[in-house]
Amino acid sequence: RKEVEQDPGPFNVPEGATVAFNCTYSNSASQSFFWYRQDCRKEPKLLMSVYSSGNEDGRFTAQLNRASQYISLLIRDSKLSDSATYLCVVNLPSGGSYIPTFGRGTSLIVHP
Amino acid sequence: GAVVSQHPSRVICKSGTSVKIECRSLDFQATTMFWYRQFPKKSLMLMATSNEGSKATYEQGVEKDKFLINHASLTLSTLTVTSAHPEDSSFYICSAWVTGSRPLHFGNGTRLTVT
Repeated sequence: RKEVEQDPGPFNVPEGATVAFNCTYSNSASQSFFWYRQDCRKEPKLLMSVYSSGNEDGRFTAQLNRASQYISLLIRDSKLSDSATYLCVVNLPSGGSYIPTFGRGTSLIVHP
Repeated sequence: GAVVSQHPSRVICKSGTSVKIECRSLDFQATTMFWYRQFPKKSLMLMATSNEGSKATYEQGVEKDKFLINHASLTLSTLTVTSAHPEDSSFYICSAWVTGSRPLHFGNGTRLTVT
């Protein structure tokens, strides 16, 4: 089992739809969770941090569920410009420290 | 916000030559820098973890003599692709990190084409 898992998709949705992605992690001692967005042929860019209390930024809401060991990203009112790959990052314990570990990414395609 | 500069953004070289890629954290000191490569439509693949003043830790299957990493200061890490071959053509991305709860910050990547 991979340490950080995401459904690669693609998720193909119409404009205006609401779409949600999940990302599961294997180590309950993980700390610090993030969602990144990566456009084609570009570097990943930080979208938002994820907290147990939830984090909302406009149309985007991120949530951490420690009991079930997953994080989620909800996108409301999808725009064409939301088409991208969404990567979750989890800081996993490693040798007394933590290492940022990526999921493989979830591809989102928003169509007219 | 934190900025990571990666240079060059694009390079074309001939087989057998070496290419050096620089990664700089511009407004913070990065205790750790990571190097990734990404093939078209594939996931980011971690190549190595670099801590300032110590040898890099390479992921399984990554040749350390092929991909030389130097992390001479808290703001600079370099990746040298030695004796490049066409199969080394890829998108190389660095990221800089301050350990703890802070997020990673990425350079804008280097697209390497070996002819």
